[in-house]
Amino acid sequence: AQTVTQSQPEMSVQEAETVTLSCTYDTSENNYYLFWYKQPPSRQMILVIRQEAYKQQNATENRFSVNFQKAAKSFSLKISDSQLGDTAMYFCAFRERGNKLVFGAGTILRVKS
Amino acid sequence: DSGVTQTPKHLITATGQRVTLRCSPRSGDLSVYWYQQSLDQGLQFLIHYYNGEERAKGNILERFSAQQFPDLHSELNLSSLELGDSALYFCASSHYRGREARISGANVLTFGAGSRLTVL
Repeated sequence: AQTVTQSQPEMSVQEAETVTLSCTYDTSENNYYLFWYKQPPSRQMILVIRQEAYKQQNATENRFSVNFQKAAKSFSLKISDSQLGDTAMYFCAFRERGNKLVFGAGTILRVKS
Repeated sequence: DSGVTQTPKHLITATGQRVTLRCSPRSGDLSVYWYQQSLDQGLQFLIHYYNGEERAKGNILERFSAQQFPDLHSELNLSSLELGDSALYFCASSHYRGREARISGANVLTFGAGSRLTVL
């Protein structure tokens, strides 16, 4: 079974600085999608960014970018110019065949002023 | 507003009772997924429906059941409730399946706001 590991339970970053959240996964599939979801205190699950495994170029969405290393099965999220509103739980997720998402345990990110 | 509507937002009930959680997917989305988020288990996949048919099952207890109706809304039924069933239950929806989705990347899950169930 596919697994997703987020090794950092909690992280803190100063406002305006950069932080990187780690994620590794295990799969035997060659084609798949990876996602980062954000869950703020409101508990809503919000898509931050997605990466197609067949694309070599790393995905970016404004201040959010990923470092996708397919051979290493690593998918880290970099948040630049951190803002207070980025404070949330961040989940890395892997999409299996049939579109079931498998989530990591999450990383709590606190942005400090 | 994600477009995925879940009701009720909060529900408090007693052990042994039965509850029904409802989900209306985004307009045009054919797939509905149910996830359970508890403190000790993280986000666990429960079940997936596509256009009224069950497509995949996860770690869903026998006390739990779900269905998707012709209008594409879905209901998750939880019976003989136990204290450990207290959790946030999410519904998510998506539109495409298959090759078209893989190429377009459109097959992203959009989540509702969740239904918080407390069993006392």
